[in-house]
Amino acid sequence: DGGITQSPKYLFRKEGQNVTLSCEQNLNHDAMYWYRQDPGQGLRLIYYSQIVNDFQKGDIAEGYSVSREKKESFPLTVTSAQKNPTAFYLCASSGTTPFAFSNQPQHFGDGTRLSIL
Amino acid sequence: AQKVTQAQTEISVVEKEDVTLDCVYETRDTTYYLFWYKQPPSGELVFLIRRNSFDEQNEISGRYSWNFQKSTSSFNFTITASQVVDSAVYFCALSDETSGYSTLTFGKGTMLLVSP
Repeated sequence: DGGITQSPKYLFRKEGQNVTLSCEQNLNHDAMYWYRQDPGQGLRLIYYSQIVNDFQKGDIAEGYSVSREKKESFPLTVTSAQKNPTAFYLCASSGTTPFAFSNQPQHFGDGTRLSIL
Repeated sequence: AQKVTQAQTEISVVEKEDVTLDCVYETRDTTYYLFWYKQPPSGELVFLIRRNSFDEQNEISGRYSWNFQKSTSSFNFTITASQVVDSAVYFCALSDETSGYSTLTFGKGTMLLVSP
């Protein structure tokens, strides 16, 4: 079945450590996204990528980094500069069309819950 | 800047009751998209509906219906005859006009608790 796979499901970070969250999709989608969700909050956009080897900062990119070397993969690194990393992280992807005004819905993975040790 | 407001933080109903989740949005764009997503306890977001700003027709899908009113910048979601399986957090989201891609602005969500 086509879908988005995030791993691991739970992740713990020590002080000063960088950790990487994996996101893989087999939907052949061009666009991929990373969101952060805090309790009682909506989703906030961290980074997004519209095409391989290109990505843009979202609303809360500080303390995070990404890469997009392959169409199907969009890993997120939470660096030590992110002082409050405890949150639920969701990866999403969406298809694109050659036409304007036809935004495709985003499809989401099951999420990774990150906590500080 | 775009903004989505879901004023209801939590709603509790008894099974078979009808319930409406409110969504009010702000945008300067003349063309935009609105979405509703469901987040069950397992965590993933499930896409429910997409509506573009040119289509103000209400939509019904089984027990779900959506009321889009441009005049009041609202896109409300009604569940008829609610069931326990409807218990989840529901998010309303708005996308900008970027051609071909949807960068979403989410509301804070409404938690719906349906008890037997």
